[in-house]
Amino acid sequence: AQSVAQPEDQVNVAEGNPLTVKCTYSVSGNPYLFWYVQYPNRGLQFLLKYITGDNLVKGSYGFEAEFNKSQTSFHLKKPSALVSDSALYFCAVRGLIYNQGGKLIFGQGTELSVKP
Amino acid sequence: NAGVTQTPKFRVLKTGQSMTLLCAQDMNHEYMYWYRQDPGMGLRLIHYSVGEGTTAKGEVPDGYNVSRLKKQNFLLGLESAAPSQTSVYFCASKVGGKREQYFGPGTRLTVT
Repeated sequence: AQSVAQPEDQVNVAEGNPLTVKCTYSVSGNPYLFWYVQYPNRGLQFLLKYITGDNLVKGSYGFEAEFNKSQTSFHLKKPSALVSDSALYFCAVRGLIYNQGGKLIFGQGTELSVKP
Repeated sequence: NAGVTQTPKFRVLKTGQSMTLLCAQDMNHEYMYWYRQDPGMGLRLIHYSVGEGTTAKGEVPDGYNVSRLKKQNFLLGLESAAPSQTSVYFCASKVGGKREQYFGPGTRLTVT
């Protein structure tokens, strides 16, 4: 079965410090991996994706993520956190079985809180 | 270009009532999806559609029906609402050949 795990319900970071939001996955074959962000009372916004190629993927708002096949991880990172980065972050994996219609499997979400 | 829109934004239903949530997208996307979001559980797929006139079940389809009569619209119906269907519902769409989905702002539904 395919699954995504975000081991931390909440991550607290001081503004200006680097941040990491963790994600591990379980999927047959090569994964397509995604990060989305949700601000309060809003829908999800696409941040970045890994499909193939370079293991370090750069996305919106200065975020990046590193794909590690041996550790089955796709951690989200940012070198210097901003208060405005405070939001709920979701990791997702795409099922690769034919006819699954591009469905995404989401982790449970990690609440990022950046304090001034 | 409004992207993905959802109506209504909020709704309160009594147990046993019915309602329809509307999702509309103006990006000419082939694929559309309905998710529900519950605390600590992420998003779970209810139903999805890979094109006009087609629908398929997702992870948690029981108690819901959908229709995709027009390419730009994807309707989610609750025939007899239950308190367990209290949730935030998100619609998403994507174009064929692309991987990422684009989400609407959500509908907050409370069933009492």
